[in-house]
Amino acid sequence: GQQVMQIPQYQHVQEGEDFTTYCNSSTTLSNIQWYKQRPGGHPVFLIQLVKSGEVKKQKRLTFQFGEAKKNSSLHITATQTTDVGTYFCAGRRANDYKLSFGAGTTVTVRA
Amino acid sequence: EAGVVQSPRYKIIEKKQPVAFWCNPISGHNTLYWYLQNLGQGPELLIRYENEEAVDDSQLPKDRFSAERLKGVDSTLKIQPAELGDSAVYLCASSSGSGQGGGYNEQFFGPGTRLTVL
Repeated sequence: GQQVMQIPQYQHVQEGEDFTTYCNSSTTLSNIQWYKQRPGGHPVFLIQLVKSGEVKKQKRLTFQFGEAKKNSSLHITATQTTDVGTYFCAGRRANDYKLSFGAGTTVTVRA
Repeated sequence: EAGVVQSPRYKIIEKKQPVAFWCNPISGHNTLYWYLQNLGQGPELLIRYENEEAVDDSQLPKDRFSAERLKGVDSTLKIQPAELGDSAVYLCASSSGSGQGGGYNEQFFGPGTRLTVL
């Protein structure tokens, strides 16, 4: 089963608005990765976070790793139709190379 | 650079029939993964290879699933016999290494094989 929980499961956003999706783990993670899967496509790597409190930005996307390394967030500003898809976080526990994926947040955009 | 190649893209079989999926990873990637993805869920690891060695097959249902990566490059995943509950997308991914310490290399996914068992 999934060890990483993502909320919300669905996010309906008006074009131009901002939103945040969250990823939570019951155990401390050594690192977390985020992937995006377009409808009908396959997961594509976006970013990896390793350090406690780390913040990384990719244009309109901001990724954050919690201080306790148990949670992460993805914030998208000025949502565009190209942001449509499912965003997965995937966490790895210390001394474990297995990547556990969350169930994803599926984003739809209203033009 | 060519991505991860998988075939077939779609497969429809009747229950109790065998089925096989093929994966060609990105050239030079020694780590290969097979994942199962059910609708509305994230990928779940079935097996991980480091070169030709299966280093983690703990999630592989060994009574009906088998996999091989004989020369440390291409890999096949087989189901025999298939059950209705096996209907899903089977994803292959590769990375240039499993890494050590806090950071690990990104995984590159193939397009997947969508299996429908009737």
